[in-house]
Amino acid sequence: SYVLTQPPSMSVAPGKTAKITCGGNNIGSKSVHWYQQKPGQAPVLVIYSDSDRPSGIPERLSGSNSGNTATLTISRVEAGDEADYYCQVWDSSSDHVIFGGGTNLTVL
Amino acid sequence: EVQLVESGGGLVQPGGSLRLSCAASGFTFSSYTMNWVRQAPGKGLEWVSYISTTSSTIYYADSVKGRFTISRDNAKNSLYLQMNSLRAEDTAVYYCARIGVSYCGADCPIKYWGQGTLVTVSS
Repeated sequence: SYVLTQPPSMSVAPGKTAKITCGGNNIGSKSVHWYQQKPGQAPVLVIYSDSDRPSGIPERLSGSNSGNTATLTISRVEAGDEADYYCQVWDSSSDHVIFGGGTNLTVL
Repeated sequence: EVQLVESGGGLVQPGGSLRLSCAASGFTFSSYTMNWVRQAPGKGLEWVSYISTTSSTIYYADSVKGRFTISRDNAKNSLYLQMNSLRAEDTAVYYCARIGVSYCGADCPIKYWGQGTLVTVSS
């Protein structure tokens, strides 16, 4: 079935930009959603349909999707952005919701 | 305010059964498709199952197909997950999750999540 590949971890200094990738075969043809999960909490939707932000999500978070890679970009990273991030798509070939393995973002 | 409250988790022996419930409030439950998503300790999110508003469309992850059954009771504003033939690898926090937009399908983003209920399968 369809596989989404994310880097397991990444670190970034405060004020810098973090780019979290999500790789999948022709993922650009799918609608990608991103979730943020902090320890002990339920996930929170931060980007949907590739690049749309739910209300309450800061403009520092943005998304893009093209070819075989979708990207979640966090600008001017803050300590509060430290969390696990998951990408997600719907695979119509298998009728499955697919999550990426998650990326643990550490703010240095 | 949208609220999703899971219950029914606990310790069960391998091969046993458990039924999870999710009580929904703060919205018109019958208008929203629902999912169960689980997370094993220290691991990532894994989708388990999806159910449409009228229960006419149901999907399962390969790892649970034939063992788990999703259902809903719109009159009781409740979502269920019947889990049979449980295995150690089913140990996880199970989240009840609601799609963001009414009558939107499985391709739509999950906007609301419960706090989860822990299922532990162990002898």
